[in-house]
Amino acid sequence: GNSVTQMEGPVTLSEEAFLTINCTYTATGYPSLFWYVQYPGEGLQLLLKATKADDKGSNKGFEATYRKETTSFHLEKGSVQVSDSAVYFCALSDPSEKLVFGKGTKLTVNP
Amino acid sequence: DTGVSQDPRHKITKRGQNVTFRCDPISEHNRLYWYRQTLGQGPEFLTYFQNEAQLEKSRLLSDRFSAERPKGSFSTLEIQRTEQGDSAMYLCASSLGGVSHEQYFGPGTRLTVT
Repeated sequence: GNSVTQMEGPVTLSEEAFLTINCTYTATGYPSLFWYVQYPGEGLQLLLKATKADDKGSNKGFEATYRKETTSFHLEKGSVQVSDSAVYFCALSDPSEKLVFGKGTKLTVNP
Repeated sequence: DTGVSQDPRHKITKRGQNVTFRCDPISEHNRLYWYRQTLGQGPEFLTYFQNEAQLEKSRLLSDRFSAERPKGSFSTLEIQRTEQGDSAMYLCASSLGGVSHEQYFGPGTRLTVT
């Protein structure tokens, strides 16, 4: 079946450090891929998405590229801020359009 | 547009009691999804509706769980004879449908079964 595996956390970085959170997937067909973010005390929000191979999603300085050959969708940001502290979820949309999520990676950015 | 709303935000109940949660989707969205999230895990799909039709149910959704979406508007999720293992955050999301369309999530209902 479809599944998403993402880097175990927690991840702790200093402000302005480079961030990578790895995400790989297993799926039949060509799913759409998403990164959702959950800030403390808030609901899930879409951070970025990519709908086909080689697409790059980007938002708020975050980027992720849909790599079909490596079945990956790694999240990157060049310089993190304290306000980026949150839990990040990688997800895919299966043919019935329901989302399959990874377990989440908690990011803490220290000043 | 006020986004997806859920009620109540928190529910504490005793084992064996029935509980019902409500979700109000974004008004023009025809798809409505229910997910469950336990501590330290990502959300897991429970069921979804296209308008008023319930199209898929996860095997996670035991016979004690039932969901409805009358008239294709709001939805309710009922859990009968609650068990401690039902303690979780119950999330509702809505979308316009289509694999590239974003699902918008509500704030969730946190259920604690004592």
